[in-house]
Amino acid sequence: KQEVTQIPAALSVPEGENLVLNCSFTDSAIYNLQWFRQDPGKGLTSLLLIQSSQREQTSGRLNASLDKSSGRSTLYIAASQPGDSATYLCAVGGSNYKLTFGKGTLLTVNP
Amino acid sequence: NAGVTQTPKFQVLKTGQSMTLQCAQDMNHEYMSWYRQDPGMGLRLIHYSVGAGITDQGEVPNGYNVSRSTTEDFPLRLLSAAPSQTSVYFCASSYSLYSNQPQHFGDGTRLSIL
Repeated sequence: KQEVTQIPAALSVPEGENLVLNCSFTDSAIYNLQWFRQDPGKGLTSLLLIQSSQREQTSGRLNASLDKSSGRSTLYIAASQPGDSATYLCAVGGSNYKLTFGKGTLLTVNP
Repeated sequence: NAGVTQTPKFQVLKTGQSMTLQCAQDMNHEYMSWYRQDPGMGLRLIHYSVGAGITDQGEVPNGYNVSRSTTEDFPLRLLSAAPSQTSVYFCASSYSLYSNQPQHFGDGTRLSIL
């Protein structure tokens, strides 16, 4: 059974700092990995999707990497802003059409 | 483009009542799924569908039924509501779970069972 772990569970940083969120998974037989953002009381918004054959994806200040063999992914946020405050979720797409989520990292960016 | 629409946004039920959570998408996505999100548990897959007429169970299917008669709609039915089903329910869709297309989520239904 696939298990996805996100570390840290919560992170508080000052505005402007660069930061890294971590995601690890136990079964390397994945098809893709997605990073989502969730604001309080809202649904999930997809930030980046990395196919299993890819090593990284970039969108603006966000960069996600994937090391399938070691079962790890990182989400790098450059020059963080208060508007980046949210919960960030990692999810892996595996066999049998199932997407397995981590429990998320609650990020607070302080002005 | 509405994306994924869930109704209702909030609902309070009494134990034993039944209800249907609605989910509709207008992106012609084949893959649709239902999750529940509980504090400390993360999102857990309830049921999913890879196309009209095809459904399958996820991680926590007990107490829930689904059907997929059209590509657009994927309703989730609670047969006899229990307090343990108090949760936030999310519907999601995508072109394919294996493609380079991301999952699109609705805004959720917040359900309380008294």
